[in-house]
Amino acid sequence: KAGVTQTPRYLIKTRGQQVTLSCSPISGHRSVSWYQQTPGQGLQFLFEYFSETQRNKGNFPGRFSGRQFSNSRSEMNVSTLELGDSALYLCASRPGQLYEQYFGPGTRLTVT
Amino acid sequence: GQQLNQSPQSMFIQEGEDVSMNCTSSSIFNTWLWYKQDPGEGPVLLIALYKAGELTSNGRLTAQFGITRKDSFLNISASIPSDVGIYFCAGRGDNYGQNFVFGPGTRLSVLP
Repeated sequence: KAGVTQTPRYLIKTRGQQVTLSCSPISGHRSVSWYQQTPGQGLQFLFEYFSETQRNKGNFPGRFSGRQFSNSRSEMNVSTLELGDSALYLCASRPGQLYEQYFGPGTRLTVT
Repeated sequence: GQQLNQSPQSMFIQEGEDVSMNCTSSSIFNTWLWYKQDPGEGPVLLIALYKAGELTSNGRLTAQFGITRKDSFLNISASIPSDVGIYFCAGRGDNYGQNFVFGPGTRLSVLP
């Protein structure tokens, strides 16, 4: 089975712009979670989608949003980018809520 | 909110040595996961634990779900250079709808 894939792998944006990141979960996995990883804050939970519905949301401003499509693929969007949004954005999928989750390789976002 | 502590924060060991690290929580968890992350990549799932007292192995790695349900341990036997990386623990509370909480990681360096 193919693993979790994320596109793009690297991205450079300027302050004030917006960005959309994409995640394709492992086939058959219906849950997709997004995390932000920075050296200072570690892995922080952004949100989780299950069957196109947002199930959980972390403590991030409304500039961070996401959605999930009927094929379980997910996108996250960050609007009005700030320098502090520079991070590795990780997507993780799992078959359902009772199971462990598997991560993708991440998207490295740099905001200048 | 739930917080995880990992110790040690970092460790330097000689190739061939055994390694022990642990993760503690302020609250009870029903699931513990251990991941390894290489620079610039997403975390890779090593071991998943679902039951208090459970001891699970994956090659040279062995992890245990603490009896109190507030801690977990990871041991690596006969370390090799490719064991270098950051090891994260993740836990989830009794509510299966909750997201996973991640520890800050243990950085392992293996000296030849």
